[in-house]
Amino acid sequence: NAGVTQTPKFQVLKTGQSMTLQCAQDMNHNSMYWYRQDPGMGLRLIYYSASEGTTDKGEVPNGYNVSRLNKREFSLRLESAAPSQTSVYFCASKRDGLTGELFFGEGSRLTVL
Amino acid sequence: ILNVEQSPQSLHVQEGDSTNFTCSFPSSNFYALHWYRWETAKSPEALFVMTLNGDEKKKGRISATLNTKEGYSYLYIKGSQPEDSATYLCAFGSGNTGKLIFGQGTTLQVKP
Repeated sequence: NAGVTQTPKFQVLKTGQSMTLQCAQDMNHNSMYWYRQDPGMGLRLIYYSASEGTTDKGEVPNGYNVSRLNKREFSLRLESAAPSQTSVYFCASKRDGLTGELFFGEGSRLTVL
Repeated sequence: ILNVEQSPQSLHVQEGDSTNFTCSFPSSNFYALHWYRWETAKSPEALFVMTLNGDEKKKGRISATLNTKEGYSYLYIKGSQPEDSATYLCAFGSGNTGKLIFGQGTTLQVKP
């Protein structure tokens, strides 16, 4: 039972390079999320998708783009990476319904030099 | 900007102590309040999702209450054990958009 799968788990980039973080869930959830985690700041919402074909900005969307390719997959793209984007990124999907909880991937540690 | 605040930021207790944390959130446009437990080197795991004012949830020694009118939720741990050491996060859902905003978390350390 895979749940939420993120790739890659680790990545080192140079400033200005681009990359895409991939996320897939096998629980048939409609809602998916991307968060970043920085020391002392908890989890901050970057983008979320309430359903296939829709995406919305969260708290810290600048410098990121997302694609909800289908119900399973929600990718996060950094077009021109900056050192401020060094972080641990978590993808999550939410069980449908009012009381649905989030299920998280294992996280992707990104370092931008 | 949705402001979700958790206090205290960190807490050190002795094994057997009972403790509680607070999550404050906007009292308007409430949809749901989530609590998660986050152990080091793991991913957050759900404890409770609460949606109704006055809700109380319990899982073993951990319980939570919800006051949507005044915008706060309490998480209680009775008789803390070293394995309860973790960061506890709350997340506020507003409207019916699916947007979930987390607080900064309360890090609990339980000493044997």
